[in-house]
Amino acid sequence: DAGVTQSPTHLIKTRGQQVTLRCSPKSGHDTVSWYQQALGQGPQFIFQYYEEEERQRGNFPDRFSGHQFPNYSSELNVNALLLGDSALYLCASSRSGQGSYEQYFGPGTRLTVT
Amino acid sequence: AQSVTQLGSHVSVSEGALVLLRCNYSSSVPPYLFWYVQYPNQGLQLLLKYTTGATLVKGINGFEAEFKKSETSFHLTKPSAHMSDAAEYFCAVSDTGGFKTIFGAGTRLFVKA
Repeated sequence: DAGVTQSPTHLIKTRGQQVTLRCSPKSGHDTVSWYQQALGQGPQFIFQYYEEEERQRGNFPDRFSGHQFPNYSSELNVNALLLGDSALYLCASSRSGQGSYEQYFGPGTRLTVT
Repeated sequence: AQSVTQLGSHVSVSEGALVLLRCNYSSSVPPYLFWYVQYPNQGLQLLLKYTTGATLVKGINGFEAEFKKSETSFHLTKPSAHMSDAAEYFCAVSDTGGFKTIFGAGTRLFVKA
């Protein structure tokens, strides 16, 4: 049983560019949440997707957007990249009816903005 | 609004000693509380959770935590530290809808031989 997978593992982008990160949830899970973890800090909630819609959002600007596909996989898009967007981006999946109580995390995508 | 405060960004213990990582939370609704562990260059792994019921919860790898409503605390303990316990530990709180999880800043645990 594959867990949560994320791609790519590492990414280097230039300021002003756009980036797309991908996440496949654990088998049987239909809810995906995205988190940003800056170096030395705890994960910060970006948003959560369920039934292909954004259900909840944290304090992130509109440059951060997402999408969930019918197979429950998800993408995180960041436009107009800033140096401060450099971080580890974590995807977590869970099963509906449990909210985010039982979240399983992927290994993350390390984004470096230069 | 919910928040989590982890007391001590770094904790160092000797192998075999008691591990105590402190966490205090703030929540306007009954909280659901979690402890996660993160090893270098990896994602987060759930150690244990409190939702309802028994206030002393046991998790993996010999860890346990006690929910104390009067103290708004959810401290993590382990009777005897192993070298393999060296990692970053995060306390987190979720609303009862489960739509959003707030993490603390983390505590790095060092285990000395």
